[in-house]
Amino acid sequence: KQEVTQIPAALSVPEGENLVLNCSFTDSAIYNLQWFRQDPGKGLTSLLLIQSSQREQTSGRLNASLDKSSGRSTLYIAASQPGDSATYLCAAPGGETSGSRLTFGEGTQLTVNP
Amino acid sequence: DGGITQSPKYLFRKEGQNVTLSCEQNLNHDAMYWYRQDPGQGLRLIYYSQIVNDFQKGDIAEGYSVSREKKESFPLTVTSAQKNPTAFYLCASSNNRGRVKNIQYFGAGTRLSVL
Repeated sequence: KQEVTQIPAALSVPEGENLVLNCSFTDSAIYNLQWFRQDPGKGLTSLLLIQSSQREQTSGRLNASLDKSSGRSTLYIAASQPGDSATYLCAAPGGETSGSRLTFGEGTQLTVNP
Repeated sequence: DGGITQSPKYLFRKEGQNVTLSCEQNLNHDAMYWYRQDPGQGLRLIYYSQIVNDFQKGDIAEGYSVSREKKESFPLTVTSAQKNPTAFYLCASSNNRGRVKNIQYFGAGTRLSVL
């Protein structure tokens, strides 16, 4: 059964800092991994999807990497802004035979201070 | 506007009552999902459906039921057997074909509380 862990659980940084959020997963037979953002009381917004054949995926100031062999993914946020404050969740499928269902980490709550 | 619509935004349940949460999508996605989120925690899968007229239990299906009679709709019923229903419920859908398969898109959620 897939298990997903995110470190740290919470992070507070000053505006402008570059930061890294970590995600680890136990079943490395995944075909992709997805990062989401959740604002308080809201649904999830998909940020990046990395296919298993990719090492990195970039969108604006966000860069996500995937290392299947070590069971790790990182989300790098460059030049953080107060508007980046949210909870960031990573999600991995349960392996090649589990179809489309995802297992989520508990998230990293990010606060960017002006 | 394409997307996923969940209703109502807030719902209150009396003890012993069944309540139904609505989820509709106009993205033409084959797969739909229901998750439960408790404060400070990640999402846990309740039920999912990969095609019309078919659905599978997730990790915490006890006390819940679903139906998938139409591609666009995947309602979730929280039954009286669910003893701790207070949570934030999220519906999602995904296209399980092509290069963008399995990207899950989420609705805005329904917050269920017990009176």
